[in-house]
Amino acid sequence: AQKVTQAQTEISVVEKEDVTLDCVYETRDTTYYLFWYKQPPSGELVFLIRRNSFDEQNEISGRYSWNFQKSTSSFNFTITASQVVDSAVYFCALSSNSGGSNYKLTFGKGTLLTVNP
Amino acid sequence: DTGVSQDPRHKITKRGQNVTFRCDPISEHNRLYWYRQTLGQGPEFLTYFQNEAQLEKSRLLSDRFSAERPKGSFSTLEIQRTEQGDSAMYLCASSSGYGMGEKLFFGSGTQLSVL
Repeated sequence: AQKVTQAQTEISVVEKEDVTLDCVYETRDTTYYLFWYKQPPSGELVFLIRRNSFDEQNEISGRYSWNFQKSTSSFNFTITASQVVDSAVYFCALSSNSGGSNYKLTFGKGTLLTVNP
Repeated sequence: DTGVSQDPRHKITKRGQNVTFRCDPISEHNRLYWYRQTLGQGPEFLTYFQNEAQLEKSRLLSDRFSAERPKGSFSTLEIQRTEQGDSAMYLCASSSGYGMGEKLFFGSGTQLSVL
């Protein structure tokens, strides 16, 4: 079975603060993919990043960065100098071959990020 | 607009009524997915199409739920004899990949409220 845990239900920060969203995953597979999606109030999930289990390189994209650590089964997401437009629900998700269904995403419960001006 | 579109955006119905939602995926995307999201939860997989073939249904999908994707284009999700527990956001997604790790493109969802 696979599982994604996002322990932070809600986070509130003031604009320009840095914020880290935590994600811990469980899978028996050695090959898997991890994702982050953003869900703004409009409801549409927007893809942010994908990482495969063999690539532990951290990634930076503008104000966004991701820290993948297989040793702790974590894939954390940091927003630097947060902005009000970053306010949304952020989901971490996992895709693996468990059960022969490699196309399904297992999502965490999400973290609601509120950035106050 | 070349994204995934869903119709309607909102649906309010009375318990026991049937409802049907439509999803238009990105053109030429071969895979289409339905997910359900309840308040405070992440999306949960319901069913999946590879072109017109429905390849898997989650056990979450009771016999009252049926989905189709005629000719591998748009898809419909029908719920018969709706129950209050069916109230949720129904999300459609599509992709062009053939394996694990593909990027999904989501629509804005249909919010169903069963009174």
